[in-house]
Amino acid sequence: SQKIEQNSEALNIQEGKTATLTCNYTNYSPAYLQWYRQDPGRGPVFLLLIRENEKEKRKERLKVTFDTTLKQSLFHITASQPADSATYLCALSNFGNEKLTFGTGTRLTIIP
Amino acid sequence: DVKVTQSSRYLVKRTGEKVFLECVQDMDHENMFWYRQDPGLGLRLIYFSYDVKMKEKGDIPEGYSVSREKKERFSLILESASTNQTSMYLCASRRTGMFTDTQYFGPGTRLTVL
Repeated sequence: SQKIEQNSEALNIQEGKTATLTCNYTNYSPAYLQWYRQDPGRGPVFLLLIRENEKEKRKERLKVTFDTTLKQSLFHITASQPADSATYLCALSNFGNEKLTFGTGTRLTIIP
Repeated sequence: DVKVTQSSRYLVKRTGEKVFLECVQDMDHENMFWYRQDPGLGLRLIYFSYDVKMKEKGDIPEGYSVSREKKERFSLILESASTNQTSMYLCASRRTGMFTDTQYFGPGTRLTVL
């Protein structure tokens, strides 16, 4: 069955450093991979989308990579700030499929 | 500014009660989704709808039903609530035909079944 794993439940990073989160998947050939941010008690908010034929995507301090050979996506936050503390979710979808399959998330804490 | 709203942020019900969770979006999106979110299990799709009066089962539809009478409104119904349905329920919407489009989520309803 399809499986999505995010590297760890929780990650603590010192302010100013780069935070790197991992999303691995098995038994899946996604066309798109998305990253969402979720704050406590709130719904997820979209951050970035990357297509299967793209290697890397950037948006301000965020960078996403997508390696379909390794079946892995890396999500980087450079110059991290305490305000970046949240749970980050990866989600995958196929062509012609309106559904997203979500990972369980990584709770990131940026320590001042 | 796009908006998905859910009828309640917190809800407490008793076992056996019929529960209605309402979701409204103002973006004229065709697709709407209901998820539940539990610690360690992530977001799991219960039902989705790609048009008015159309619905499809997600990964965990048992114990739930849905209703979509109008494009902007998607209701989740727990016919007879049970304690294992205590969870955070999230509604989302997105446009159809644009596979690069994202889902927009509501704030969630935290349901407790006693």
